[in-house]
Amino acid sequence: ETGVTQTPRHLVMGMTNKKSLKCEQHLGHNAMYWYKQSAKKPLELMFVYSLEERVENNSVPSRFSPECPNSSHLFLHLHTLQPEDSALYLCASSQEPQPPYEQYFGPGTRLTVT
Amino acid sequence: GQNIDQPTEMTATEGAIVQINCTYQTSGFNGLFWYQQHAGEAPTFLSYNVLDGLEEKGRFSSFLSRSKGYSYLLLKELQMKDSASYLCAVGDSNYQLIWGAGTKLIIKP
Repeated sequence: ETGVTQTPRHLVMGMTNKKSLKCEQHLGHNAMYWYKQSAKKPLELMFVYSLEERVENNSVPSRFSPECPNSSHLFLHLHTLQPEDSALYLCASSQEPQPPYEQYFGPGTRLTVT
Repeated sequence: GQNIDQPTEMTATEGAIVQINCTYQTSGFNGLFWYQQHAGEAPTFLSYNVLDGLEEKGRFSSFLSRSKGYSYLLLKELQMKDSASYLCAVGDSNYQLIWGAGTKLIIKP
C-alpha cells in the first residue's frame, strides 16, 4: 500500500449505531488530519494530530471521537450521529512544519446517516 | 474572521486557457496551495506559493500577490481530464490550512 488509505469507502449507519473510520498513511509523515467535506462547502478541519498528540479540535460535537495510536494510524469513532453528519470524511497527512507541508489525502469515506 | 473566496463554477473550451482566481483574508500567512479534486476522488496537490510571483509547472501556473491577498491558477491547453474542482487553501499562523469552497471547472469540446 502506498500513500493514504481509508476504510471503509462507503458507510451507511443509523443514528443509534456505533462505527469507526480508519486511516493509514505510508508516507512517514508526522501529522494527520480529519476533514469533513459537504457539497459546495469548504473543507472543514475537524481534528489535527501532530506527533500523535491532538493539537486541534475545531469545536466538533462529542459524537465524533478521534484516536491516534501511532503516527501511521488515525481513527474516527462515530456514535449517535445525526442526518446532517452525512458527508465525505477525508483523512490527510503531512510533514510539519517543513514547507511546503502539502497535505496528502486519502480517498475518503462517504458516510450516510439514516 | 478568515475567508477564502473563489468562483463557484467556470466553463472553458478544450485547448483554451482559463484563470481561476482566489482572494483571501486570514490571520497569518504561511503559503497558498492549489489542489485539484475530481468528482468522487480525493484532493491532490497542484502548487504552493509563499513568495510573490508566478510558479510554473507544465500546463499549470500559480500566481501570488501577498499585498493584495490574491492568487490565481492558470491552466493552459485545456484537456477534458482537467474537468474537476480546484481548491484554494491558505496556511495560517499555525500552519493549518484554511480552505475555499472550490471552483468547479467544466471543459467543453
